[in-house]
Amino acid sequence: AQKITQTQPGMFVQEKEAVTLDCTYDTSDPSYGLFWYKQPSSGEMIFLIYQGSYDQQNATEGRYSLNFQKARKSANLVISASQLGDSAMYFCAMRGVTYSSASKIIFGSGTRLSIRP
Amino acid sequence: DADVTQTPRNRITKTGKRIMLECSQTKGHDRMYWYRQDPGLGLRLIYYSFDVKDINKGEISDGYSVSRQAQAKFSLSLESAIPNQTALYFCATSDWRGTGELFFGEGSRLTVL
Repeated sequence: AQKITQTQPGMFVQEKEAVTLDCTYDTSDPSYGLFWYKQPSSGEMIFLIYQGSYDQQNATEGRYSLNFQKARKSANLVISASQLGDSAMYFCAMRGVTYSSASKIIFGSGTRLSIRP
Repeated sequence: DADVTQTPRNRITKTGKRIMLECSQTKGHDRMYWYRQDPGLGLRLIYYSFDVKDINKGEISDGYSVSRQAQAKFSLSLESAIPNQTALYFCATSDWRGTGELFFGEGSRLTVL
C-alpha cells in the first residue's frame, strides 16, 4: 500500500530564511510521481512542483526545489528566501505512473508553515 | 469561470439527510476525484474515476457513493449524513499524461448537525 508521511505538523521560520519541509513515502510501485501542493488560508489548493521517480535531476520551480532521495524514500520541499506569502499548509502527495495506478493520488497530513517578519 | 466548479460551496444539514455535492469541469480531463480534508489528517481520497464507465473506491469510501454522469460531471452523495462527515470536500481532475497533477475545485464545506 502507498503511504505519505509528513512528520512536521507546524513550523515557524524567519522571513528570508530557507526552509525544508519533510516528506517520506512508501510504495511498492517501481515508478511513481511525487507532488507538493500549497494551501493558503483562503483554502484553494495550488500545485507547486512535481518529481518523477526516474528523473535524473531534482525538480526546481522558482524558489521551490524538491530534494529527492530515492534510496531513503524522501521528497523534501525546499523553499529558498521565504516570504510572508509562503505562510500556508503544505501537502506532499504521490501517484503511480501506470495507466491504472496514476489515478490514485494520495496525500500526507500536511505541514503548516508560518513565516515570521 | 473556474475550470473545476463545485456546488454547493457551503451546506449545513442534519443527521440522516441525503446530501449531494456536484462537480463539473471544463478541462477535458478523463480523471476525476473526490477528497475530504480534516484538520490534522490532510486530504483523504474518497472515490476516483477513470472515465464514465470506471469508478474506484479510495481510502475512505464507506458512507459515500458517487456517480459519473458524463466525462465532465462527477457527483458525491452522502445517503444518510452523520456528524463525523463534517469536513471540507474537494473535487479534482487530472490528465494521466504528463505529470498528472491535480486541478482542484474551490471546495465544498459541509456541516452535519
